[in-house]
Amino acid sequence: GENVEQHPSTLSVQEGDSAVIKCTYSDSASNYFPWYKQELGKRPQLIIDIRSNVGEKKDQRIAVTLNKTAKHFSLHITETQPEDSAVYFCAASRAAGNKLTFGGGTRVLVKP
Amino acid sequence: DAGVIQSPRHEVTEMGQEVTLRCKPISGHDYLFWYRQTMMRGLELLIYFNNNVPIDDSGMPEDRFSAKMPNASFSTLKIQPSEPRDSAVYFCASRWDRRGDTQYFGPGTRLTVL
Repeated sequence: GENVEQHPSTLSVQEGDSAVIKCTYSDSASNYFPWYKQELGKRPQLIIDIRSNVGEKKDQRIAVTLNKTAKHFSLHITETQPEDSAVYFCAASRAAGNKLTFGGGTRVLVKP
Repeated sequence: DAGVIQSPRHEVTEMGQEVTLRCKPISGHDYLFWYRQTMMRGLELLIYFNNNVPIDDSGMPEDRFSAKMPNASFSTLKIQPSEPRDSAVYFCASRWDRRGDTQYFGPGTRLTVL
């Protein structure tokens, strides 16, 4: 089955700096890659996703890049703010809507 | 829309007891997913349904776990008998195939088995 690895497990950045989280996947047939943000005690919420026919996608301060050849994708957060502090999960699946395999999560702390 | 609804939000029980977790997906959604979240294992998919039919239950840890979806607006996850290692947060999520790929998570049920 699919295996998704996520790095780093924790990330501390100064407010205003950028944060980058990287994920690798094992199943070359995977074609849907969402990112979820989970605040303490809350539910995971989708913040951005990308499909395998696209190399990059941006939404305001958040961007995701995908390298299908290398089987890795990354989340970039620019101009970080304290409210960006949370755990971020990457995931992969073969077809949108089917079973998602999650990475282990990255705890991001934005220091004011 | 009220979003995905789960009950109870917290459950504390003793080892050996039966536990039933409930989920009401967003109205009109045709996929329903059950996840378990622990510090050790992270977020893992247990089972998912499409149009009330179980499609993949390969993530169900063992026979003590069972899930049903008797209709489009209700699903249950049952653990019988419960064990301390079942302690986790259980999330239900739903999705509408025609509206895209986003899975909407419920607030979760925090289960503690003593």
